[in-house]
Order: sequence, then structure tokens, then C-alpha cells
Amino acid sequence: GDSVTQMEGPVTLSEEAFLTINCTYTATGYPSLFWYVQYPGEGLQLLLKATKADDKGSNKGFEATYRKETTSFHLEKGSVQVSDSAVYFCALSSPGANSKLTFGKGITLSVRP
Amino acid sequence: GAVVSQHPSWVICKSGTSVKIECRSLDFQATTMFWYRQFPKQSLMLMATSNEGSKATYEQGVEKDKFLINHASLTLSTLTVTSAHPEDSSFYICSARDPHSGRSGDTQYFGPGTRLTVL
Repeated sequence: GDSVTQMEGPVTLSEEAFLTINCTYTATGYPSLFWYVQYPGEGLQLLLKATKADDKGSNKGFEATYRKETTSFHLEKGSVQVSDSAVYFCALSSPGANSKLTFGKGITLSVRP
Repeated sequence: GAVVSQHPSWVICKSGTSVKIECRSLDFQATTMFWYRQFPKQSLMLMATSNEGSKATYEQGVEKDKFLINHASLTLSTLTVTSAHPEDSSFYICSARDPHSGRSGDTQYFGPGTRLTVL
């Protein structure tokens, strides 16, 4: 079945540091890939997505590239801010009606001033 | 665009009572909505898939008689936790699929969540 593996956390960085959060997946067919962010006490917000190989999703300075050859969708940001502190979830959705999201475990990012 | 709301945002109830949580898509029609449960510091667990006008599809291990789901319109789905007990305390999150969001309409937009505490 489908699965998503995220790197173990938590991650603590200083402001303006470079961020990489690894995500790899296992799926049949050609899934869509997503990064969601959850701020404390809130629901999930879609951060970015990519629907086919080599697509790059980007938003708010975050980027992730759909790499079919390595089945990866790593999240990167060149310079993190304190306001980026949150939990980040990688997810995939396989094609089909009522396509469900399969989530990774999530990773907590803390950015200190 | 693609805003999903939930109500209430938090609720405290006594053991044995029932609680209803509403999930609404505010600016699009959602033929499919999903209900998730999230335990502290853990990922989301899909409970059920709700299709407008039909019965919900529950994931394995989720009691359909305890977690009643109704998707009466294209913008509203409700989750009722019946005869709630302390072990049902959790963060419940809904999402709605926007059929016009791109390939296969597979992007889900999430509500802000409902914190349920059963005493």
C-alpha cells in the first residue's frame, strides 16, 4: 500500500538557517505529493503540492521537487523565520475517485531568534 | 479561496452524552469530505470518507455506530460522537476535496479542527 516516510524530528534551527526536511514515498502509479503545515492549535494548511514528476511546488519561500527516480519530495527553505515554527506533514494522494491522503508522521520545526 | 470551517472549535462534554461537529466548505462545493482524528504530537488518522448523498465509508477499526457521519449537502458534513467517553477525547479535523483544484481534484483543504474533551 501507499506510505510516506519523513525524517525523524524534532528539528531546531536558528533564524535565517537553511532548512531541509526529507520525505520519501511508496505508491503505485503516479501520486500527487503535498506538504501541509500545522501551526499550534490549528488545523492543516496546504503549503505546496506537485502533481507530476519534476514538478516543483513553491510557496512562502518553501520549495519541493517531485523526484520520481528517488521517490522523494524534500522540503527546503533558504532562510527560515521564527514564524515558520510548526509541524510539517508530507502526504501523497493516489489517483482515483475519493483519493485519500496518506500522511507521514510529521516533523516539528522550532526556529529560535 | 478553498476555505473550510469547523464548529465548534472546542467542546467539553460529560461522559455518555453525544456531540455534533460541523464541517463546512465556504466557497466551493465539496462532493467528498474526510474526517480525521489526531492524537497529541501524532499524525492524522483517517476515520471516514463522506460523500454527499450517500453513506460514509469508514476505515478499518472505526466504529460507524459511534461516529455518525452525515453529508447532507455539498457544503456541509457532520460528525456525531455518540455516547462519548474520555477515550474519545481528541482533536478532530475535517477536510473537503475541491473537485476543481487540478488533476483529479485531489487537493484537500482542511478545517481548523475541533478539540473534544470528554469528562
